[in-house]
Amino acid sequence: DAKTTQPNSMESNEEEPVHLPCNHSTISGTDYIHWYRQLPSQGPEYVIHGLTSNVNNRMASLAIAEDRKSSTLILHRATLRDAAVYYCILTSRNRDDKIIFGKGTRLHILP
Amino acid sequence: NAGVTQTPKFQVLKTGQSMTLQCAQDMNHNSMYWYRQDPGMGLRLIYYSASEGTTDKGEVPNGYNVSRLNKREFSLRLESAAPSQTSVYFCASTPLQGFQETQYFGPGTRLLVL
Repeated sequence: DAKTTQPNSMESNEEEPVHLPCNHSTISGTDYIHWYRQLPSQGPEYVIHGLTSNVNNRMASLAIAEDRKSSTLILHRATLRDAAVYYCILTSRNRDDKIIFGKGTRLHILP
Repeated sequence: NAGVTQTPKFQVLKTGQSMTLQCAQDMNHNSMYWYRQDPGMGLRLIYYSASEGTTDKGEVPNGYNVSRLNKREFSLRLESAAPSQTSVYFCASTPLQGFQETQYFGPGTRLLVL
């Protein structure tokens, strides 16, 4: 079973900010939070990851709760090309721990 | 750089036929992975290779074999295809060993087993 919980789907208007939530109440102290997205008919692509502090890159921002039991991926200005399935994944420093992709959140962007 | 490439893009097999899915990466990555994705589902790990010369089972290895031919190439073989293996197969690679590394995915191979 996935270690994270995400809504099945979300909708947002084009050019508006989007906040994609993820719950990971069983996260351990050394688990990283990774986000990937999968555009239609493509392989997943890396979006962002973090450990404790909020992170920003050219694609998105990652806001991590102080207790680390939840996080939010923020797309600052959604475009139609951001319509995809977004996966929130925990990854462990333990090299024997595999990653588990859940079903993710399907993001619909309305023009 | 092409990144991670997979061949073929599409394949139709009859039950019992065999085939090999090919994956190559040109990023000098040490670790490579094979996943399958069924309709409406997330990805499930089939096998992975932490480094050249090593392979390990993932979550759903039954019915598959793998070969890490060299650092660049990691192939997935179906010896006797079954309809339950109809899926989209993704190959991925990471610079270093460990699932905490960022994974780079290929475009996928869509397989239909009749």
